[in-house]
Amino acid sequence: EDQVTQSPEALRLQEGESSSLNCSYTVSGLRGLFWYRQDPGKGPEFLFTLYSAGEEKEKERLKATLTKKESFLHITAPKPEDSATYLCAVQDFGNEKLTFGTGTRLTIIP
Amino acid sequence: EADIYQTPRYLVIGTGKKITLECSQTMGHDKMYWYQQDPGMELHLIHYSYGVNSTEKGDLSSESTVSRIRTEHFPLTLESARPSHTSQYLCASSDSGTAKETQYFGPGTRLLVL
Repeated sequence: EDQVTQSPEALRLQEGESSSLNCSYTVSGLRGLFWYRQDPGKGPEFLFTLYSAGEEKEKERLKATLTKKESFLHITAPKPEDSATYLCAVQDFGNEKLTFGTGTRLTIIP
Repeated sequence: EADIYQTPRYLVIGTGKKITLECSQTMGHDKMYWYQQDPGMELHLIHYSYGVNSTEKGDLSSESTVSRIRTEHFPLTLESARPSHTSQYLCASSDSGTAKETQYFGPGTRLLVL
């Protein structure tokens, strides 16, 4: 069974203080690893898809990387508007569902 | 930018009532999904559809039912709401014609059953 574990559960950073969020996963055949951002009371907003180890994607202050066992979401010089819950999900070949982690709640303090 | 809509956004209803949560997408995606999310918890797939007249149950047992009569519309129905149905319901869609098949989510419906 696919499993996703995200750490830390919560992270508070000062504005401009860079850090990384971790997503460890177990899947029989990785079709894709997805990062979403979710604001309170809203649906997840798609950020990145990674398909194979060594792949990297960037968007503004965010950079996602992938190994065979985990993915990192690096946030560089974050701003208060980056505060949200960041969700990681995996999809197995032959499986329609996304298996989600419980997310990392990120708070950026001005 | 994903164009997927859910109504209502919030619903407070009494036990035993029948409710339908609406989901529509304007992207022409063939696949659609319903997920359930409790506060601080993972999203769990409860229903999905490959296309018109196709519906499947997800991993999480649910007393809800779905239908897919039109490509753009994927409503979820609870015949008799109970307090245990209180949760956030998220609709998503994806395009199987692309290699990525990224799932795009709607804003969600927050349901409270009294």
